[in-house]
Amino acid sequence: DTAVSQTPKYLVTQMGNDKSIKCEQNLGHDTMYWYKQDSKKFLKIMFSYNNKELIINETVPNRFSPKSPDKAHLNLHINSLELGDSAVYFCASSRTVDQPQHFGDGTRLSIL
Amino acid sequence: QKEVEQNSGPLSVPEGAIASLNCTYSDRGSQSFFWYRQYSGKSPELIMSIYSNGDKEDGRFTAQLNKASQYVSLLIRDSQPSDSATYLCAVRTRGNTGKLIFGQGTTLQVKP
Repeated sequence: DTAVSQTPKYLVTQMGNDKSIKCEQNLGHDTMYWYKQDSKKFLKIMFSYNNKELIINETVPNRFSPKSPDKAHLNLHINSLELGDSAVYFCASSRTVDQPQHFGDGTRLSIL
Repeated sequence: QKEVEQNSGPLSVPEGAIASLNCTYSDRGSQSFFWYRQYSGKSPELIMSIYSNGDKEDGRFTAQLNKASQYVSLLIRDSQPSDSATYLCAVRTRGNTGKLIFGQGTTLQVKP
């Protein structure tokens, strides 16, 4: 069983569209994260939820909106997609905020 | 000055040699330090965590932390071609959000 799973694995879409990425963890962790890894492989935190409460909200365009319906799920919705949004988006989770983070397989988003 | 700095490499070592990967960080109050390995096209995989000064060994891997000098390093003994990957240093910032700052990664090539 995959511990942190993301869907879809690949997402190819056109500029201006709205899309969502889903993440689920079956580890019983309290904290979940979204990261963006750009073409230069730099990995940057975007958002984090702890027990469904938003605790990290980095400076990202407000076209990006996370939602955590429960502790095991953290979704990322992106409105009005732009070329610069092309990247790999990783979900991660940790038992608590001070425990190591474990990553999902990533979603490769390509904007045409 | 970047918050977490690594030499991007590539670092090339012969099979069986010791690979030494270094990382420096700017926030003296940082408490937790992690090394992740990322194969091309894959997700980051946690290989070591270290929280106090000194060495921590796990199999062929040794993490070293020197908080006074603000550096953390990873030694890989008896390097194997399968160790060829990008190694990401991550530092947890002070505070209770679990926010990780990643370095840009060092690419390691182990030549048979």
